[in-house]
Amino acid sequence: GAVVSQHPSRVICKSGTSVKIECRSLDFQATTMFWYRQFPKQSLMLMATSNEGSKATYEQGVEKDKFLINHASLTLSTLTVTSAHPEDSSFYICSASRGGTGELFFGEGSRLTVL
Amino acid sequence: EDQVTQSPEALRLQEGESSSLNCSYTVSGLRGLFWYRQDPGKGPEFLFTLYSAGEEKEKERLKATLTKKESFLHITAPKPEDSATYLCAVQAGDTDKLIFGTGTRLQVFP
Repeated sequence: GAVVSQHPSRVICKSGTSVKIECRSLDFQATTMFWYRQFPKQSLMLMATSNEGSKATYEQGVEKDKFLINHASLTLSTLTVTSAHPEDSSFYICSASRGGTGELFFGEGSRLTVL
Repeated sequence: EDQVTQSPEALRLQEGESSSLNCSYTVSGLRGLFWYRQDPGKGPEFLFTLYSAGEEKEKERLKATLTKKESFLHITAPKPEDSATYLCAVQAGDTDKLIFGTGTRLQVFP
């Protein structure tokens, strides 16, 4: 099966700092990657869709200047939480689409805690 | 607006006590309905994809079915290791993005 890796798995930062989370497809080229956020005991909420080489498409209510997404290659997308605040503390999960199949593969998630 | 609703929110079963989880959906142009298992602190683990009404898929103690309005995940003779949150998601239109339901937290007791 296809493998998607996220790094870091856990990160703690101070309020006001920026944090970058990486999502890599290890054994396939991902034409599209998706970023989700999950609060405790809640489901996954789609934040944005990123396509390699183009600007990300953000879901309604997601601040694009706060959550910067870069999809620079077919195997790497990054999510940068800028000027993080405690309310940004959450579980961030990426998924990658192996082009044309509709199949999505998920990373293991990154737990962000903002103090 | 596309919507996915799962029930129950939580389910406690005795080991061996079979049951079903429900996923109701309202979506335009369904391309696929997905079931995932999620353990605490982990990303979703793929279980099944169903594409058309009447389709069924099985894997070990799990069987997923699909109608035009809902999907069921049947768990036969569950074991404690089946304890997890089960997520349903739909894919619609011309995009690969998934819209998730709120999940069902399943606990199976020995």
